[in-house]
Order: sequence, then structure tokens, then C-alpha cells
Amino acid sequence: DAGVTQSPTHLIKTRGQQVTLRCSPKSGHDTVSWYQQALGQGPQFIFQYYEEEERQRGNFPDRFSGHQFPNYSSELNVNALLLGDSALYLCASSTILGETQYFGPGTRLLVL
Amino acid sequence: AQSVTQPDIHITVSEGASLELRCNYSYGATPYLFWYVQSPGQGLQLLLKYFSGDTLVQGIKGFEAEFKRSQSSFNLRKPSVHWSDAAEYFCAVGAFEGGSEKLVFGKGTKLTVNP
Repeated sequence: DAGVTQSPTHLIKTRGQQVTLRCSPKSGHDTVSWYQQALGQGPQFIFQYYEEEERQRGNFPDRFSGHQFPNYSSELNVNALLLGDSALYLCASSTILGETQYFGPGTRLLVL
Repeated sequence: AQSVTQPDIHITVSEGASLELRCNYSYGATPYLFWYVQSPGQGLQLLLKYFSGDTLVQGIKGFEAEFKRSQSSFNLRKPSVHWSDAAEYFCAVGAFEGGSEKLVFGKGTKLTVNP
């Protein structure tokens, strides 16, 4: 049973560019949440998707957007990258009725 | 607003010694509480969770945690630490809004294990 997968594993971008990160949820899960983990910090909630709609959003600017596809996979898009967007981006999946989120290995983004 | 405090940024223990990592939370309702572990450069692995019932919960890798409502705490314990336990540990509370849950994490405690 495959767990949560994310791609790519690492990414280097320059300021002002745009980036797309991808996540496939654990089998049987229909809800995807995204978190940003800056160096030395705990993960911060960005947003959550269920039934292809954004259900909840954390305190992140509109430069951060997402999408969920009919197969429950999800993308995180970040526009106009800033140096401060450098972080590990974690995807977590769950069922909408479930309380436990399972995390993928993350995508490490470096903005130069 | 929900919050989680992990008072210890870094803890060093000797292999075979006991371990306790502290976690305090702030949440208006009955909390769902979690401990996750993160090895360097890796994602988060769930160690254990508390939803209701017995306040002492068992997890993987020999870890346990005790929920104490009166102290708003959910401390993680292990009786004998192994070198492979060296990692960063995160406590989290599940915060429900609009019918869905987000996790609110503490800043983590880095565990170093001396041989």
C-alpha cells in the first residue's frame, strides 16, 4: 500500500518565478492538506482540499494556491517566489471524516 | 486560537536512559493530540495519537504519551532510548473548523542520543 508521495524531492528557483509541487494521497484518502516547514520551525498549515475545493486556509497570501484533481491528487502553486518561501513543503492526506493525517516525504524548495 | 508549546528546543540523553518530551497545548474543546517524529531531511511519521478514552496511549517504537487535561499537557515518554531515536519530535493539536481538521504544531524538540 503506497503512502503519500510528493514530487519533486528538491527544487531550486529564483525570486519572482512560479513553482508547482505535486502530491498523491495514500490509497483510500480523499483529503489533502499542505504545510510549510521553514528551517528550525514546526510545520505551518497552508490549506486543505476536499472534493476539489479548498476547505480551510491558513495565514498565507494569495500567492499560494492549490488544486485537487478527481483522483484526489493535489498541486500546490506558489507565484512570485520570495526568498522567504524557501522551506520544506509537506503534503498530508486523510479522509474527510478521519482525524489522522499521514505525511509525505516533502519537497524542499530553495529560492535564490 | 489554538497553540502548542514545546518548552525544550534541544534535549540530549544517553543511550539506555529514559526520555520525556514536554508538550502543552491551548484549545477550547476536547483536543485531538498527536506526536510526530522527523528524521533529518524526511517527512513526518506518526508516533501516536490521543482522541478520547484512556489517557495513556501507546505508540510505535516503544513510545507512550499521557494526556493530562488539568495541565493541558501531552508529554511523550520512552523508558530506554536507542541511538536510532535521535530525531526531531513534534507535538500537534487537531483544530476543527468548518467541519475539517488542520494540525497546529509546536516548534519541535531535537533529540540527541549519546552513545
